[in-house]
Amino acid sequence: GQNIDQPTEMTATEGAIVQINCTYQTSGFNGLFWYQQHAGEAPTFLSYNVLDGLEEKGRFSSFLSRSKGYSYLLLKELQMKDSASYLCALRAETGAGSYQLTFGKGTKLSVIP
Amino acid sequence: NAGVTQTPKFRILKIGQSMTLQCAQDMNHNYMYWYRQDPGMGLKLIYYSVGAGITDKGEVPNGYNVSRSTTEDFPLRLELAAPSQTSVYFCASSYSSLGAEQYFGPGTRLTVT
Repeated sequence: GQNIDQPTEMTATEGAIVQINCTYQTSGFNGLFWYQQHAGEAPTFLSYNVLDGLEEKGRFSSFLSRSKGYSYLLLKELQMKDSASYLCALRAETGAGSYQLTFGKGTKLSVIP
Repeated sequence: NAGVTQTPKFRILKIGQSMTLQCAQDMNHNYMYWYRQDPGMGLKLIYYSVGAGITDKGEVPNGYNVSRSTTEDFPLRLELAAPSQTSVYFCASSYSSLGAEQYFGPGTRLTVT
């Protein structure tokens, strides 16, 4: 099975940088996703890591260390609209060439002025 | 493209009633998924499909059924609704399960009383 751990809540100031961590245990690791979910809305895709290292996409970056079972999402130049839940999701092979995505409980980020 | 659409947006059911949650996508995606999300919890996979005519159980399939007669549609059937099925249900689709981001529908908020 898979186990994903991320902080429940975080608060950061507008214009600052925040790092949201995600640790996991799994067999058959095949990728780690980050999704953003505003309250009352559907999740939207932010990033995907399958190899170790940093993936940068504008103000958002995601890092993966497979040996440590660790990922983080880095948000720079925080804006009020970044207030949302950030979901770490683990893709693992389930056999017969099929995969499943297991989501963490999410980190609720509040950006304050 | 409409993307992933879900109906209804809201529904109240009495215990023991049945209903079908509709999901459709117009992106010609092979993979489709049903998740439920309880307050403060991560998304839990109920069922998924890798193509028309092929479905498989996810993490929490009990009390639900699915069918996939076409590429576009993936309805979720609730038989004998129970209060434990009160949740927000999200349908999602992806082009493949390999490194593919999932596109989510807007969700159906279901209350069973």
